[in-house]
Order: sequence, then structure tokens, then C-alpha cells
Amino acid sequence: AQSVTQLGSHVSVSEGALVLLRCNYSSSVPPYLFWYVQYPNQGLQLLLKYTSAATLVKGINGFEAEFKKSETSFHLTKPSAHMSDAAEYFCALLLKGGYQKVTFGTGTKLQVIP
Amino acid sequence: EAQVTQNPRYLITVTGKKLTVTCSQNMNHEYMSWYRQDPGLGLRQIYYSMNVEVTDKGDVPEGYKVSRKEKRNFPLILESPSPNQTSLYFCASSEPRGSNEQFFGPGTRLTVL
Repeated sequence: AQSVTQLGSHVSVSEGALVLLRCNYSSSVPPYLFWYVQYPNQGLQLLLKYTSAATLVKGINGFEAEFKKSETSFHLTKPSAHMSDAAEYFCALLLKGGYQKVTFGTGTKLQVIP
Repeated sequence: EAQVTQNPRYLITVTGKKLTVTCSQNMNHEYMSWYRQDPGLGLRQIYYSMNVEVTDKGDVPEGYKVSRKEKRNFPLILESPSPNQTSLYFCASSEPRGSNEQFFGPGTRLTVL
């Protein structure tokens, strides 16, 4: 069975500092991987996705993530945090070739300190 | 505008009183899904539907029903709500043959007293 693990339910960074949100996955077949962001009182929106093309994926708002098969990781990074980045971030996995069963991680709340 | 809509956005009800949360998408997506979001647990899939009249259980289907009579609509039914179903619910849709990106509705916050 597939699973997604997000290390750290809460992460705090200073404005301008590097953002690193960790995601590790487990799956029996090659996966699609996603990062979603949820702002307060809103639904989820897609930040970026990995679909087996380039391993370094660039998303919206300056975020990027690197797929590392050997480490089964898909960590999300941003070089310089902005106050508007404060939100909850979810890593998600979809098995290729299967039905549309998406597995989400438990989420990481990012706090940006001025 | 491409979107997924849910109604109601907020609902307070009592134990045992049947309710329906509606979900509609205007993107002609084949796949639709319901999730519940609880603190510390992330999003857990309740039910999903691959197409009209095709539905299946997700990870936490107990106490819920769904139907998919039309491609655009995927209502979530709680026949006899209980307090442990107090949660934030999201509907999502996607096109399996495309980017596989899920488009989420704005959420329905349900409180069962």
C-alpha cells in the first residue's frame, strides 16, 4: 500500500530564510507526486507536480521540489520565505496506471516570522 | 470559470438528522472524490467516482453514502450523522487522462451536535 509521510507538523522560518518542507513516500509502482497549499479558510490548490519528466519541478510562487527515487523523497523548497507563504502544505501521491486513489500526507503548517 | 462548488459551506446539525452536501464541477471531469480533513490527520478519502454510476469506497467510508447520477454532480449523504463526523469536507474532481491534478471545492464545515 502506498503512503506519504510529512516530517514536522509545524515549521517556522524567518522572512527571507530558506523554506524546506519534507515529504517521503512509499509506493509499489512509480508514483505521481504533488504538493498542495491550503490558505486559511480555503480549499487546496496545486503548487507543483511530478509526473516522471524532469526530477526538479518548479511550481507557483517560487516553490520547487526535487524527486529523489533513491531517497523516496519529494521535499518542497523555496529560497526566500515571504509572509504570504504562511499556510498549510500537503504532499500527495497518486499511483501511475491505477485508479485515481490519491493519498495525502498529514500536512505541515508553515509559520513565517517577520 | 472552471470550478468545483460545494453547498452548504457551513452546517450545524444534530445527531441522526439526515443531510446532504452537494458538489458540482463544470470542467467535465470524469473523476470526483470526497475527503474529510481533521487536525493532525490530513485529508482522508471517503468515496470516489470514476464516472457516472461508478463509485467506490475510499479509506473512511463508514457512515457516508454517495451517488453519481450525472457527470457534474457528486453529493455526499450522511443518513444518520454522529458527532465523530464533525469535520471539514472537501470535494475534488480531476481528469484521469490529463495532468491528474485534483481541483478542490472550497470546503464544507460540518458540526454534528
